[in-house]
Amino acid sequence: DAGVIQSPRHEVTEMGQEVTLRCKPISGHNSLFWYRQTMMRGLELLIYFNNNVPIDDSGMPEDRFSAKMPNASFSTLKIQPSEPRDSAVYFCASGGLGTGTPGSPLHFGNGTRLTVT
Amino acid sequence: GQNIDQPTEMTATEGAIVQINCTYQTSGFNGLFWYQQHAGEAPTFLSYNVLDGLEEKGRFSSFLSRSKGYSYLLLKELQMKDSASYLCAVRDQGTNAGKSTFGDGTTLTVKP
Repeated sequence: DAGVIQSPRHEVTEMGQEVTLRCKPISGHNSLFWYRQTMMRGLELLIYFNNNVPIDDSGMPEDRFSAKMPNASFSTLKIQPSEPRDSAVYFCASGGLGTGTPGSPLHFGNGTRLTVT
Repeated sequence: GQNIDQPTEMTATEGAIVQINCTYQTSGFNGLFWYQQHAGEAPTFLSYNVLDGLEEKGRFSSFLSRSKGYSYLLLKELQMKDSASYLCAVRDQGTNAGKSTFGDGTTLTVKP
């Protein structure tokens, strides 16, 4: 089991540029979550998918943020245009079978550290 | 919505026992999780409680009281490598089942 794979590990970009973060969940997990972590706001849920369908995107801060999950093995989080306040660590996590399967914890990727200058 | 509170920082001595508390107020409850996060790394799962009582897992134990909206993580025989942030997370239910809300984390420093 390779775990949740995220790319890139680090991204430095200039304000106004488009940023795309990628995630490959654990095979067999049908839930995928995008979180953002900052010192000020902690770990915030941006959006999550069940069976590739977005269930709750109420945490997406603005229309500049969008997420897709075209198939069970791939998801992207896009920021366009990026701003300095988007600087954070973005984590992707996947979860076990079913929605809210008891005892099925989240498995996190190593995160993407985004810096927008 | 969910509101989760934990202390910001704690310090303990190597070999000692430490208890990290978590209180929550939620609109729905489908389990409470504890995660460990070392600096610069991803959170990793430690424990899960959905029923009242104590769950023991080696040096780590977690307790839950649903009526009080309270949980704690107990770490025994502390080691230097236990220095990390400990995150309490509550899973929602119903249409939002699967959605976990995290507390801000408790940074634990273990001193020699």
